[in-house]
Amino acid sequence: DIQMTQSPSSLSASVGDRVTITCQASQDISNYLNWYQQKPGKAPKLLIYDASNLETGVPSRFSGSGSGTDFTFTISSLQPEDIATYYCQQYDNLPSFTFGPGTKVDIK
Amino acid sequence: EVQLVQSGAEVKKPGESLKISCKGSGYSFTSYWIGWVRQMPGKGLEWMGIIYPGDSDTRYSPSFQGQVTISADKSISTAYLQWSSLKASDTAMYYCARWRLKAHDYWGQGTLVTVSS
Repeated sequence: DIQMTQSPSSLSASVGDRVTITCQASQDISNYLNWYQQKPGKAPKLLIYDASNLETGVPSRFSGSGSGTDFTFTISSLQPEDIATYYCQQYDNLPSFTFGPGTKVDIK
Repeated sequence: EVQLVQSGAEVKKPGESLKISCKGSGYSFTSYWIGWVRQMPGKGLEWMGIIYPGDSDTRYSPSFQGQVTISADKSISTAYLQWSSLKASDTAMYYCARWRLKAHDYWGQGTLVTVSS
């Protein structure tokens, strides 16, 4: 099984700040990495696929990078509506497309 | 418009059986995998397994193999997640989500399952 870790587990930032979340895989997963946003009480929403591709309709302040085992997710200018938990997910290896443990983002 | 509509919340007792559903519309149901994701209260997302409704090819995460059964009825564009004997630890929100080759791009609204004596 591929294990995913994320850091930090939570962060607090001001509106307009640049926010960075990292995700690490326990083995090489190439670029088979997605990022999702989950707001309280809602279903997750796909933001980034293939490590760096922005899903249609997602604001350009969201971005992703990385390959192999180390990945980064960035919000270039944090907005109040970005308060959510963010999850990475690997899809290199069936039978389990593992999620990371999540990073909770809130406003300072 | 692509939609995944899940069945309503359930309250069950330990040992009871349960089958929840996820109906797809607005796309070719048999051409995309459908996955199931568990979220226990206050916790993160756990990927459970996935089915291809076109031929019912099903894969389970090792953590959920033998604990649940995933199935689909392509004639009514519906995927299912079922338990034969629920435990209190099955209490969670369960989401279905379409797999678009590289990611879960559309999600159901979630079904809350509560197991309590």
